[in-house]
Amino acid sequence: GEDVEQSLFLSVREGDSSVINCTYTDSSSTYLYWYKQEPGAGLQLLTYIFSNMDMKQDQRLTVLLNKKDKHLSLRIADTQTGDSAIYFCAEIIMDSSYKLIFGSGTRLLVRP
Amino acid sequence: DVKVTQSSRYLVKRTGEKVFLECVQDMDHENMFWYRQDPGLGLRLIYFSYDVKMKEKGDIPEGYSVSREKKERFSLILESASTNQTSMYLCASSSLYGTSGGSSYEQYFGPGTRLTVT
Repeated sequence: GEDVEQSLFLSVREGDSSVINCTYTDSSSTYLYWYKQEPGAGLQLLTYIFSNMDMKQDQRLTVLLNKKDKHLSLRIADTQTGDSAIYFCAEIIMDSSYKLIFGSGTRLLVRP
Repeated sequence: DVKVTQSSRYLVKRTGEKVFLECVQDMDHENMFWYRQDPGLGLRLIYFSYDVKMKEKGDIPEGYSVSREKKERFSLILESASTNQTSMYLCASSSLYGTSGGSSYEQYFGPGTRLTVT
């Protein structure tokens, strides 16, 4: 079945890079997404990558996609305390309609 | 900016009550979604809608129903609330076209309603 897996927790020191990993199951997914959720808030779209790309960079964020291994990662450079949040990856499933399948989320804690 | 609003941030209801959660989006999006979020389980899709008066079941529709009478409004209904429906409920909307004009299907989320059923 469809499943998106992430590790539950990551702790880094302020100024270091963070790498959040995700594996997905549907090899036909055309889009993969990273969302951020701050405490008490809804999900905010950070970035997405189209399946014909290997990498996408957006300021401090770098997304890497390995389609062969169905592996997606989000790298945050120069991590700040404001980056502390839960990060969700999601894949799109397209059949007769479309929907997003979300991972369980990775809680990132940035230590001063 | 896309704005998705939900009628309540916090709600406390009693077991057996009928509960209405409202969601409104202001970007003329065709698609709207209801999720529940529980620790360690991520987001699970309850229902979605691609057009007015149209609805489709998601992964966990049992105990819920929805209504979409107008394009901008999507309501989630708990017919008879139970304690296992205590959760964070998130509404989302999307268009077939992303912000760049290409199709990227990203969803925009409201702030969530934390529902407690006692």
